[in-house]
Amino acid sequence: DAGVIQSPRHEVTEMGQEVTLRCKPISGHDYLFWYRQTMMRGLELLIYFNNNVPIDDSGMPEDRFSAKMPNASFSTLKIQPSEPRDSAVYFCASSADRGRGTDTQYFGPGTRLTVL
Amino acid sequence: DQQVKQNSPSLSVQEGRISILNCDYTNSMFDYFLWYKKYPAEGPTFLISISSIKDKNEDGRFTVFLNKSAKHLSLHIVPSQPGDSAVYFCAASARNFNKFYFGSGTKLNVKP
Repeated sequence: DAGVIQSPRHEVTEMGQEVTLRCKPISGHDYLFWYRQTMMRGLELLIYFNNNVPIDDSGMPEDRFSAKMPNASFSTLKIQPSEPRDSAVYFCASSADRGRGTDTQYFGPGTRLTVL
Repeated sequence: DQQVKQNSPSLSVQEGRISILNCDYTNSMFDYFLWYKKYPAEGPTFLISISSIKDKNEDGRFTVFLNKSAKHLSLHIVPSQPGDSAVYFCAASARNFNKFYFGSGTKLNVKP
C-alpha cells in the first residue's frame, strides 16, 4: 500500500487566493483526519470524517476553511480566502475502525503551505 | 484544553544511553495510547502503542510504560541512536472516541 497520499507537498500563494489541499487515504480505512501543525499550537485536529461523513469540525478555525470527502478515496481541505496566519504544515491521516473507535492513525507526508 | 501534555519540549541524550520521553494526560477515560515519531519534512509515523489493560509494552529498543493512577506514560529508548533524533508525539484516545488527542511533542537529539 502506498500509504496516505497528499498533494501538493508545497504550496506558496498570495493572501486572498484560494488554496486546495488534497488527500487520498489508505484503502479500506474508515476514518480520515485533517491536522494542522504550527510552532505555537503543535498538532491541531481540524476535522475528521467517518465513512465519508464529517463528524467533528470543531477544530476548523473559521468559515474560510472547508473540507469535503466526496468518496472513500479522496478528500479536500480548502481555504478561501487564504491569510498569512494560515501558513503551516497540513497533515491528512487515516485509520481503520477497530470496533470501539478509531484505530492507529497513519499520516501522509503533509503539505507545507506558505501564504505571503 | 490540553488533555495530553508533553512538558519537555526538548531532550538531549548521548548515543548508547537511555532516552526517556514523558507524557501526562488528564482524562481518566483514555484507555489507548500511541507514540509517534516525526522527522523533519515528513508526516508522523506510528511507533508503539499501549492499551490500559497493560502497564508495559515493548518493541525492540522501544518500551512504553503506563501508570494509570498517575495518568502518566513514558517512552524508553535503549540504547539511543543518532537516527532516533526526531520529534516524538504521544496521543491518547478512549473507547468510542473517534479521535486522538495529541501532545505538543518532544524534540529528541541523540548526540554521537
